[in-house]
Amino acid sequence: RKEVEQDPGPFNVPEGATVAFNCTYSNSASQSFFWYRQDCRKEPKLLMSVYSSGNEDGRFTAQLNRASQYISLLIRDSKLSDSATYLCVVNPNTNAGKSTFGDGTTLTVKP
Amino acid sequence: DTGVSQDPRHKITKRGQNVTFRCDPISEHNRLYWYRQTLGQGPEFLTYFQNEAQLEKSRLLSDRFSAERPKGSFSTLEIQRTEQGDSAMYLCASSPIDKGTSAYNEQFFGPGTRLTVL
Repeated sequence: RKEVEQDPGPFNVPEGATVAFNCTYSNSASQSFFWYRQDCRKEPKLLMSVYSSGNEDGRFTAQLNRASQYISLLIRDSKLSDSATYLCVVNPNTNAGKSTFGDGTTLTVKP
Repeated sequence: DTGVSQDPRHKITKRGQNVTFRCDPISEHNRLYWYRQTLGQGPEFLTYFQNEAQLEKSRLLSDRFSAERPKGSFSTLEIQRTEQGDSAMYLCASSPIDKGTSAYNEQFFGPGTRLTVL
């Protein structure tokens, strides 16, 4: 079993749709969590950190459920420009260098 | 451009040859990471440095791989006796350390070096 697992998709949604991605992690001691976005043939870029209380950044909402060891990302009113691969990232503690990436969930938003 | 840079961007080599990649992080960043990514997979951690110290190395990394960051600035990743299975995108990332809390900070990735082993 992989340390970080994501549904690979692809998710194909129309513009304006709401879409949600889940990610599960196996290390219960994990402390910090992130979502990165990776466009085709580009490097990953931080989308948002995930806090225990949940956090929102515009159309994007991230949630953390420590008891069930999963992280979610909700995208509302999706845009064509949201088409990308979304990578879930987990760190064992807040000061660790090592990051474990999931294999990503691919989203395609269609007109 | 003050982002992370990597050189070369592409490398084609024959099996058995040695290759070396370079990464120049964002200048004020203490931490530097190397990852490997293949198609359809997420980045796989290889190693990371804090300043010039190599603090962790993946158990998946064979002895053919070595990384250095001699002056705490740029880093090199060398692969000896390359194999076809080494073909991948090699990504470098850097991050600062919050001097107040030592909290994890965002990793900034370079554009990667694509290695093809024939």
